[in-house]
Amino acid sequence: DAMVIQNPRYQVTQFGKPVTLSCSQTLNHNVMYWYQQKSSQAPKLLFHYYDKDFNNEADTPDNFQSRRPNTSFCFLDIRSPGLGDAAMYLCATSRDNSNYEQYFGPGTRLTVT
Amino acid sequence: GEDVEQSLFLSVREGDSSVINCTYTDSSSTYLYWYKQEPGAGLQLLTYIFSNMDMKQDQRLTVLLNKKDKHLSLRIADTQTGDSAIYFCAERFSGGYNKLIFGAGTRLAVHP
Repeated sequence: DAMVIQNPRYQVTQFGKPVTLSCSQTLNHNVMYWYQQKSSQAPKLLFHYYDKDFNNEADTPDNFQSRRPNTSFCFLDIRSPGLGDAAMYLCATSRDNSNYEQYFGPGTRLTVT
Repeated sequence: GEDVEQSLFLSVREGDSSVINCTYTDSSSTYLYWYKQEPGAGLQLLTYIFSNMDMKQDQRLTVLLNKKDKHLSLRIADTQTGDSAIYFCAERFSGGYNKLIFGAGTRLAVHP
């Protein structure tokens, strides 16, 4: 059974049109992460939530925001997508900050037209 | 700074061993990982090694860690076509939270 679910799997949006990607987890983990993976590049952490505490990476553009309304769900909002934001977006969870395992969802591939 | 480097492509014959190599820069990393990504799928944790170890074996997988050279390798014995995928090396950020620093991935192609 899927433990980290991402919807949709494929998303097409227009340049400048806000878009929201969704992640849910059935593991009851405290920490949820969003990574961006551009074509043929390494996945790069954008931000993470430890419970309700939001932690932004220093180089994450302001265009990217996140919400975590409850333990199970976390959203990635891109306010004004540019062509350079086309990528695979990966959600991951871990039990807590000291636990070494992260569980990844299948990703959402975002296309910006 | 943190950086993880991998070669981009490896081609092996079915039944041979595959060795995927990785170098990293953060000598304070406590855990180092190998993830596998199949087409259309997320990242699957294959194995990991704690920094006080120099080798870990798990069925067909052997991880070697050379801390002095900051070099990590993954050996897959008896490589099968189902092993064709992208393999990512990652180090755990030493800055106090659970951030993974990934390499760009090595695409393993297994041919008959």
